[in-house]
Amino acid sequence: GNSVTQMEGPVTLSEEAFLTINCTYTATGYPSLFWYVQYPGEGLQLLLKATKADDKGSNKGFEATYRKETTSFHLEKGSVQVSDSAVYFCALRERGSQGNLIFGKGTKLSVKP
Amino acid sequence: SQTIHQWPATLVQPVGSPLSLECTVEGTSNPNLYWYRQAAGRGLQLLFYSVGIGQISSEVPQNLSASRPQDRQFILSSKKLLLSDSGFYLCAWSGLGISGNTIYFGEGSWLTVV
Repeated sequence: GNSVTQMEGPVTLSEEAFLTINCTYTATGYPSLFWYVQYPGEGLQLLLKATKADDKGSNKGFEATYRKETTSFHLEKGSVQVSDSAVYFCALRERGSQGNLIFGKGTKLSVKP
Repeated sequence: SQTIHQWPATLVQPVGSPLSLECTVEGTSNPNLYWYRQAAGRGLQLLFYSVGIGQISSEVPQNLSASRPQDRQFILSSKKLLLSDSGFYLCAWSGLGISGNTIYFGEGSWLTVV
């Protein structure tokens, strides 16, 4: 079945450090891939997405590239800010599906000033 | 633009009491609707999804139920809450066509069963 594996946290970085959160997936078809962010006490917000191989999703300085050859969708940001402190979820959904998003377990990021 | 709202935002309920969480979506027609639960340390779990009025699919057997009385309204209910029902409940929606593969979440409802 489909699954998503992302690096376990928590991840603690200093402000302006480089961020990478690894995400790999297993899927039988051609899924769309997503990163969601959850700020403390809030719901999930879509951060970025990619719908096919080699697509790059980007938003708010975050980027992730859909790598079919390595089945990965790693999240990166060149210079993190304290306001980026949150839990980040990688997820996939089969194209055309009316059903579930498959989520990773989430990675908590803390950025220190 | 489309918006999703759910309420109440927080509630504390005694064991054995009923539950009703409500969710509405605006700015779209015939959305797919979802209820997820995020329990402490257990990630996100899909509870129910609906592709139309009166059409509910349950992903996990439990003492919760869902209903969709109107096109853009989705309700999560329980007749008798258990301690294990505590968690963060998220309503979500997705549209049709090419954009339909993206699921958008509401603000969430914190439920504490005591």
